[in-house]
Amino acid sequence: SAVISQKPSRDICQRGTSLTIQCQVDSQVTMMFWYRQQPGQSLTLIATANQGSEATYESGFVIDKFPISRPNLTFSTLTVSNMSPEDSSIYLCSVEGTVEDTQYFGPGTRLTVL
Amino acid sequence: QKEVEQNSGPLSVPEGAIASLNCTYSDRGSQSFFWYRQYSGKSPELIMFIYSNGDKEDGRFTAQLNKASQYVSLLIRDSQPSDSATYLCAVNSGGYQKVTFGIGTKLQVIP
Repeated sequence: SAVISQKPSRDICQRGTSLTIQCQVDSQVTMMFWYRQQPGQSLTLIATANQGSEATYESGFVIDKFPISRPNLTFSTLTVSNMSPEDSSIYLCSVEGTVEDTQYFGPGTRLTVL
Repeated sequence: QKEVEQNSGPLSVPEGAIASLNCTYSDRGSQSFFWYRQYSGKSPELIMFIYSNGDKEDGRFTAQLNKASQYVSLLIRDSQPSDSATYLCAVNSGGYQKVTFGIGTKLQVIP
């Protein structure tokens, strides 16, 4: 299984600021995914990031709000821009699992916006 | 809107009992189904997957699928306090890695 790390593990930010979350994998992977998990809600896919191409965003998520970089096969970043309290959530990155349609998840970043 | 429905719980069972976790999905064309376990403050981890109607057993865990009823369940036999976690049902909603997650059911195993 892949070993995934995320930085920061948690942060408290002020409204209107931006935070960049880093995701590092210990092996090369084609697809990386960014999820949001809000209290009382299901795990929601924000976007899929493939190396060398633009990220593909899900309905309700836009690049201006959640810009993503994927500079190589082991690393990705997600930026949460112009934050509001509604952005308070856990953000998780994941990579493809060995079983089709499964994923390994990183430890998550707990974001609180004041 | 493709949906995956779960009762958020908590579901409380005594130690040693069978825990039954249920999930329904809206997309009749779904072909693959997954159960993830998420301990409090941790990330989800895959514990079971099932593709065909019927039962699939792995140790104390049994996944059950009924595509006609659009229903998937997870049974945990001989429940242990260490099984206390939130269990997420996930369904492939069309296309590679297009997976929709349910809200998760919180399971509490009482010693």
